Amino acid sequence: DSGVTQTPKHLITATGQRVTLRCSPRSGDLSVYWYQQSLDQGLQFLIQYYNGEERAKGNILERFSAQQFPDLHSELNLSSLELGDSALYFCASSEGQVTDTQYFGPGTRLTVL
Amino acid sequence: GIQVEQSPPDLILQEGANSTLRCNFSDSVNNLQWFHQNPWGQLINLFYIPSGTKQNGRLSATTVATERYSLLYISSSQTTDSGVYFCAVRPNTGGFKTIFGAGTRLFVKA
Repeated sequence: DSGVTQTPKHLITATGQRVTLRCSPRSGDLSVYWYQQSLDQGLQFLIQYYNGEERAKGNILERFSAQQFPDLHSELNLSSLELGDSALYFCASSEGQVTDTQYFGPGTRLTVL
Repeated sequence: GIQVEQSPPDLILQEGANSTLRCNFSDSVNNLQWFHQNPWGQLINLFYIPSGTKQNGRLSATTVATERYSLLYISSSQTTDSGVYFCAVRPNTGGFKTIFGAGTRLFVKA
């Protein structure tokens, strides 16, 4: 158990809908990262927050947004969902911003029908 | 942007065999990790190793930052070692993005 929790574990929804994925980092970690893993794209970095501030942005679509709250948990919002958004979404956390070990949560499997 | 290449893409081993997985990267990095994704999808951190050598039981890793590669050694492989091994790096320039390689898929036969 990495200490990073993600909810829900599974999510099935329809095209055009909006969903929210939640992540709680390990105790003491200030950075939260979001990743998408799909069969055709592999593991893709989406976004990083450090202590509530956006730190780095990867290949995150404009339909997706994220935030980190004062208690350091984070949410990833996916809207206007398309079939291609079906994937495993991972959250990771680390103590610092750059030169730190990232610990991954169990992931949320999103299926868009 | 930085390119991360892992080899071999697939590997089949008999239980008890040793193996070496390689990760090449095209630019200098300040962070390099090895992960194991088990058949249930869980990503397990193996090593944080931007440079040098580390060992943990049957696994060890070496990163030669000046030559831009890292190696993961698995000795006396077990069936539970099956899964996908990923290398992930953060380049020194271009922001704080983490870039994953495509992975090496390992299957260990009993």
